[in-house]
Amino acid sequence: ETGVTQTPRHLVMGMTNKKSLKCEQHLGHNAMYWYKQSAKKPLELMFVYSLEERVENNSVPSRFSPECPNSSHLFLHLHTLQPEDSALYLCASSQDLGQGPDGYTFGSGTRLTVV
Amino acid sequence: GQQLNQSPQSMFIQEGEDVSMNCTSSSIFNTWLWYKQDPGEGPVLLIALYKAGELTSNGRLTAQFGITRKDSFLNISASIPSDVGIYFCAGQASGTYKYIFGTGTRLKVLA
Repeated sequence: ETGVTQTPRHLVMGMTNKKSLKCEQHLGHNAMYWYKQSAKKPLELMFVYSLEERVENNSVPSRFSPECPNSSHLFLHLHTLQPEDSALYLCASSQDLGQGPDGYTFGSGTRLTVV
Repeated sequence: GQQLNQSPQSMFIQEGEDVSMNCTSSSIFNTWLWYKQDPGEGPVLLIALYKAGELTSNGRLTAQFGITRKDSFLNISASIPSDVGIYFCAGQASGTYKYIFGTGTRLKVLA
């Protein structure tokens, strides 16, 4: 596979569930990002990793927990979410932190619905 | 904080028409990116701009980096049905790795 792959594509979970979103990039990029996309709002940056170290945590509630075990994989662990957390969660990567000839490469996203 | 105003929010056009959209910023940017997002997919990069005044084309798409460095424009010529989607601008200021994204322009093409 090439590019940025996200799984699952769709996820429905109850407020007491624990689930994880997975992102994998096959581009040899050094930086990876989690974004939240809600209707009619700009993309919201959640977490940033550069060379497997967390660079940014944009005041995201602790019910979202990221993990970056290596430069190719990024996870978002979800726990006791709220209905307002329902959104499209996008993973992206770039050659280096905020840089690269092609900007950010995005995955197809995980459509999360919290019930 | 920095904000991007993208307009129009949505457009309904006839197939074959040209389309123009723009983004304006309250701050100066060093990089402008234009993305397209198809339904159920992530954004895909269309054009990247790195210099004020730069005009870059990608097929029927042309984007310009405004000379004030606070705005950027995207034009689509002779629209076709597959141009349907949401178009996002993103800007990056000097000294930061972060991109600020616009709210998107939703384009619908009527055959």
